[in-house]
Amino acid sequence: GAGVSQSPSNKVTEKGKDVELRCDPISGHTALYWYRQSLGQGLEFLIYFQGNSAPDKSGLPSDRFSAERTGGSVSTLTIQRTQQEDSAVYLCASSLVYYGYTFGSGTRLTVV
Amino acid sequence: GENVEQHPSTLSVQEGDSAVIKCTYSDSASNYFPWYKQELGKRPQLIIDIRSNVGEKKDQRIAVTLNKTAKHFSLHITETQPEDSAVYFCAASPGNTPLVFGKGTRLSVIA
Repeated sequence: GAGVSQSPSNKVTEKGKDVELRCDPISGHTALYWYRQSLGQGLEFLIYFQGNSAPDKSGLPSDRFSAERTGGSVSTLTIQRTQQEDSAVYLCASSLVYYGYTFGSGTRLTVV
Repeated sequence: GENVEQHPSTLSVQEGDSAVIKCTYSDSASNYFPWYKQELGKRPQLIIDIRSNVGEKKDQRIAVTLNKTAKHFSLHITETQPEDSAVYFCAASPGNTPLVFGKGTRLSVIA
């Protein structure tokens, strides 16, 4: 597509439930990144996929967080047993090389 | 790993004045320094970037300067306009790892 697409745009979930967030990167972009933006805060790195290499999971805050990227394209970020501190905007970005990230509009997650 | 500090956290300027936002980084291997603008409720968008083989880059009213010795880089916006009001993020990377972002600067341009 023309840009990075994320769905859903908003998600309200009850504490303890699992959620899945989806990212559809720009066609042909080999690199895909997930970041988290808490209210009034910067962008916190979560996970990075580059081609067929093993993902860099060094930013995942706990083992409740996981992500996969199928066929080198669409990525899903899964948060299990959600907690209130997981409430944030989850941003996905893609790039062709290591520079020139294009961000999606994000998923605003609210855990109640 | 890389650590990026950004100052100030908030900045108010009168329309027409200049605005300067400064960032420092820790990893001397970093060689790519982009700046992103995020308007309220919108996605971050790349506005300008600089690589370590240059010291300054300009694009109309915005410019970025880089001092590799001191490990700091700055964003300069001249002749500010109300539409420049947004949160600005700096970032750094050595190129083989994801960008590390500063915590952002909320710029308000007062008409």
